[in-house]
Amino acid sequence: DTAVSQTPKYLVTQMGNDKSIKCEQNLGHDTMYWYKQDSKKFLKIMFSYNNKELIINETVPNRFSPKSPDKAHLNLHINSLELGDSAVYFCASSQYSGGLGDEQFFGPGTRLTVL
Amino acid sequence: DAKTTQPNSMESNEEEPVHLPCNHSTISGTDYIHWYRQLPSQGPEYVIHGLTSNVNNRMASLAIAEDRKSSTLILHRATLRDAAVYYCILTSSVRNTPLVFGKGTRLSVIA
Repeated sequence: DTAVSQTPKYLVTQMGNDKSIKCEQNLGHDTMYWYKQDSKKFLKIMFSYNNKELIINETVPNRFSPKSPDKAHLNLHINSLELGDSAVYFCASSQYSGGLGDEQFFGPGTRLTVL
Repeated sequence: DAKTTQPNSMESNEEEPVHLPCNHSTISGTDYIHWYRQLPSQGPEYVIHGLTSNVNNRMASLAIAEDRKSSTLILHRATLRDAAVYYCILTSSVRNTPLVFGKGTRLSVIA
């Protein structure tokens, strides 16, 4: 069983479109995250949710809107896609909201390509 | 955020031990030292973490300097599957602090 899963694995779309990436974890964790890995391979936190509540928003454009229908899911909706949004997006989860040596489990990533 | 410094790349022969260094001279007393790795085309994977004492698990060992300003991740016998980017990350003991990834060390394993 996959601990953290994401769909789709690949997403190719045109500029200006709206798209969503879904993430689910079956670990019973309380906290979920979205990270972005750009073409230079830098991995940066975007959002963190704890029990469906937003706890971290790292200066991400408001075109990005995370939605957590329950604590096992954290979806990422992106409006008006731009070329610079092309990247690999990783979802992750952890038992607690970071700190205290908390281990994060990452999904396989979604490669978004904006044309 | 306390920062870490790692070599950009390292190379190892298969079946030999690998010592991946990390400097974190500005570490605070309550920061944990985490190591993650990212295999090609995969998400990051937790390897090990520690606070003050050396740590061992099935994947690796973590040796932490007495002053905590540096640490070393030890892979006891490198395999081709260990080829990855290894990230040394400091995490605060305060909750709600995210992982801050640096450039990491790209480890190549030669058969």
